Amino acid sequence: NAGVTQTPKFRILKIGQSMTLQCAQDMNHNYMYWYRQDPGMGLKLIYYSVGAGITDKGEVPNGYNVSRSTTEDFPLRLELAAPSQTSVYFCASSYLLTGELFFGEGSRLTVL
Amino acid sequence: AQRVTQPEKLLSVFKGAPVELKCNYSYSGSPELFWYVQYSRQRLQLLLRHISRESIKGFTADLNKGETSFHLKKPFAQEEDSAMYYCALSGRDGGTSYGKLTFGQGTILTVHP
Repeated sequence: NAGVTQTPKFRILKIGQSMTLQCAQDMNHNYMYWYRQDPGMGLKLIYYSVGAGITDKGEVPNGYNVSRSTTEDFPLRLELAAPSQTSVYFCASSYLLTGELFFGEGSRLTVL
Repeated sequence: AQRVTQPEKLLSVFKGAPVELKCNYSYSGSPELFWYVQYSRQRLQLLLRHISRESIKGFTADLNKGETSFHLKKPFAQEEDSAMYYCALSGRDGGTSYGKLTFGQGTILTVHP
C-alpha cells in the first residue's frame, strides 16, 4: 500500500515550458487535492476533485490545469511555466470530507 | 475569507520543558481545526483534530472560540518532537470551504537535548 505517490520529486523547467506533475493514490479515496507551498508560507490549494470527472478550482488555480479520469490519478498540468510557479507541490487525498488528508512526498519545481 | 496564522516561524525549547505552538484563525462559520506535523524526511501527516479531543504523542489542543485560537501544547517536550507543525482549518458548515483545508505558515519546533 504505497498511499499517495507523486512524480517527479524534483524538476527544473525553463520559462515557457510545460510539464505534468503526476499523482496517484491506491487507497480508493474519492477526494484529491493539489497544494503548493512557497518558502515561508503555508500550503495553498490549487485544485481539488471530489471524484472521477469532477474538478474545481482552489485558492490559486491560475496557470494550472487538472483532470481526473480515474479515481486513482490526479495529474497537475503547468502550461507556460513562469518563475512564480517555483514551489513545492503536494498532492493529497482523503476518504471523506473530514479534513484528514494523506499527503504525497512533494515535488520541488524550479522555473528558471 | 478564512485565515490561519501561526505567529512563530521558529520555536526552540529544551528537552523536558513545556511547549506551546500558537495558532489563531479567522472564519465566519463553524470551523474545524487540525494540527499537521512533518518530521524530517517524512510526509506531512495529521497529528490531531479538535473534534476528537484526544491527546496524541502527549500533545493536546483546545479550540477557544472566544479567542479564535487552537494552540498546541505539550507539558514535557522530547527531542523526537522536533518537526514542522502546521495548523489548518476547514469549514464544517457545508459552505465552499467544507472539506478543504486552509493552512498556516508553519512553525519549526526544535527540542534541544
